[in-house]
Order: sequence, then C-alpha cells, then structure tokens
Amino acid sequence: GAVVSQHPSRVICKSGTSVKIECRSLDFQATTMFWYRQFPKQSLMLMATSNEGSKATYEQGVEKDKFLINHASLTLSTLTVTSAHPEDSSFYICSASGTGFPYEQYFGPGTRLTVT
Amino acid sequence: AQSVTQPDIHITVSEGASLELRCNYSYGATPYLFWYVQSPGQGLQLLLKYFSGDTLVQGIKGFEAEFKRSQSSFNLRKPSVHWSDAAEYFCAVGARGQNFVFGPGTRLSVLP
Repeated sequence: GAVVSQHPSRVICKSGTSVKIECRSLDFQATTMFWYRQFPKQSLMLMATSNEGSKATYEQGVEKDKFLINHASLTLSTLTVTSAHPEDSSFYICSASGTGFPYEQYFGPGTRLTVT
Repeated sequence: AQSVTQPDIHITVSEGASLELRCNYSYGATPYLFWYVQSPGQGLQLLLKYFSGDTLVQGIKGFEAEFKRSQSSFNLRKPSVHWSDAAEYFCAVGARGQNFVFGPGTRLSVLP
C-alpha cells in the first residue's frame, strides 16, 4: 500500500516552454501532497505543500507564479513549471500523506526535468 | 530552529560487515523520526519510522534504528550489509502539524 506515482519520469523541454508533472496516489486518498526539488548530491528541498481543494502553501523563496501547483482531487496533484529556464533543471519529487497516516510521507519516483 | 544532521557524508563498508548511520536532530516538539533510502535517480523509500513506544524499531530490508532522547539521536543499523544496500540514506524529522526536515544524507558504498 501507499504507492505514489509520478509522470513523466523524465522530460526535456526548451527554454521558455511550460512543463506539467503529475503526482498520483494509487491506493489511498492523499489529503496532503508535497513537492520537493533535489539538486545533484543534495538533500530534498521542500517547495510547497498542498491540501486537496486548497491553494498550495509555498516555502520562502519559491516563486508561486513560476511553480504552479494544483491539488484538484484526493489522488492527483500537478506541478507546472512555467516559462522554464535551464536553471529550473532538477529532480522533482512529490510525496503524499493520507488520512490514516497524516504524519508519514510516501514518495513518488521523481521526475528529471532538463531545460535546454 | 529545527535541524537534522547526518555527520557522515559518505561511508564505505565491506559486504557482510555491520553498518551504523548516524542521525542527530534538534526539534522543539516531540519528534516523529524516519529513515528513507534513495537509489540513484529514484524516489525515496521509507525504511522505518518512530512515533512512540519501544525505542528500538524494526524496518524493512533488515534495518533497525534506535531512538535515544537523551542524545537526540536516531541511528540506523544493519548487522550485515548487502551490495544492494548501496544508496543514499536520509534521516527526517516531523511533528504534528509540521513539515518534514531532512538531513543532508549519507551515501553508502559497499565493497565486494
């Protein structure tokens, strides 16, 4: 149980375009979803937290207009990187907590974004 | 401020040897403690967690961890390491109503 998927696993896009990453909880209802960014050989940096049906809460220094997060249902959250630039290239990981385990997070496999 | 330290950036052990990865935390509230493992290019897999009760917790893949409140530590151990254990290990701390704080990670290499 507690499986989280992400799609796509890898994406390459041109500078200036937008990219959408999906995060799905496959076997539970995700009351809270988290989006992280991870640079090579570094730890995870929390970007934002979202609750179903509510606006996401962004961490300090994360541009909410650039990283659009939507948590429209209890099983799906999306992260859209708008007007992507090469410095947005990174590994993006989502995680989710459920009703039965509000203090645990289960992670997706991650999405490698490369902006050329 | 909340923080998690993992003093060892990189550890190398021989296959079959025992392993201990250190984790220390500074947290104002009663912490919930986690260990995650990450293989290259992959997401994080939960190895084990501690919320309350017995301070020695068992996890998957033969791992265990011991919570020591007096030392603010939650060290991860395995009696006999397998080559497939080579990965990055992250300690994380959470609490009611609080987001996770992750440690910087410890990279484990396993010699044949």
